[in-house]
Amino acid sequence: KQEVTQIPAALSVPEGENLVLNCSFTDSAIYNLQWFRQDPGKGLTSLLLIQSSQREQTSGRLNASLDKSSGRSTLYIAASQPGDSATYLCAVGLTDSWGKLQFGAGTQVVVTP
Amino acid sequence: EAGVAQSPRYKIIEKRQSVAFWCNPISGHATLYWYQQILGQGPKLLIQFQNNGVVDDSQLPKDRFSAERLKGVDSTLKIQPAKLEDSAVYLCASSTGTGLGSQYFGPGTRLTVT
Repeated sequence: KQEVTQIPAALSVPEGENLVLNCSFTDSAIYNLQWFRQDPGKGLTSLLLIQSSQREQTSGRLNASLDKSSGRSTLYIAASQPGDSATYLCAVGLTDSWGKLQFGAGTQVVVTP
Repeated sequence: EAGVAQSPRYKIIEKRQSVAFWCNPISGHATLYWYQQILGQGPKLLIQFQNNGVVDDSQLPKDRFSAERLKGVDSTLKIQPAKLEDSAVYLCASSTGTGLGSQYFGPGTRLTVT
C-alpha cells in the first residue's frame, strides 16, 4: 500500500528565505506526482505536476524535483513572501488506477514579514 | 473558465440525520472525484466517476454513503445516517480524459456532525 509522508508538519520562515518542503513515498511505481496548495477554508490549487519520466518541473519561483528510486520529491519556493503562507500537499498518482491520488498530510507554512 | 462549483459551503447536522452535497465540475471534464478531508489529514478519495460510470469506490463506506452522476455532468454525494466521525471537508474535483492529468478542486463543503 502506497504511503505518502510530509515532514515537517509545520514550518515558519522569515520573508525572503527559500522554502524547502519534503515529500516521501513508499512505492516507486507511481504515474505522476503533484504539489498542491491549500488556503484556509478553500479547496486545493494545483501548483506543479511531474510525470514519472520527468526529474523536475518549474513554474516561476516554484521548482519541484522527483527522485522515484529514493521515493522522494522536494518543492522549492524561492524568496518566500507572506502570500506563500498556506498548507502544501503532495500527492502521488497510482499506476494501477485511473488517476487516483494518494495524498500526504501536508506541511503548514507561515512566512513572517 | 468557471471552476468546480460545490454547495452548500457549510452544513451542521445532528448524528443520524442525512445530508447531501452537490458538485458541478468544469465543463467538458469527464472525470469527477469526491474526497473526504479530515482536519489535519490529506484528502482521501471516496469515489471516482468516469462520465457517469463508477471507476473506483473502494474507500466509500457504502452502508451510509452513496453518490451518483446520472448524466455524466454534476454529481451528488449523500450520507445517511451521519456519524460524528463524518465531520470533515468534502471536496469535489474534476479532470479531463482518463483523469491522469491535473485535478481541479472545488472550495469544498465543511460538514459538522453534532
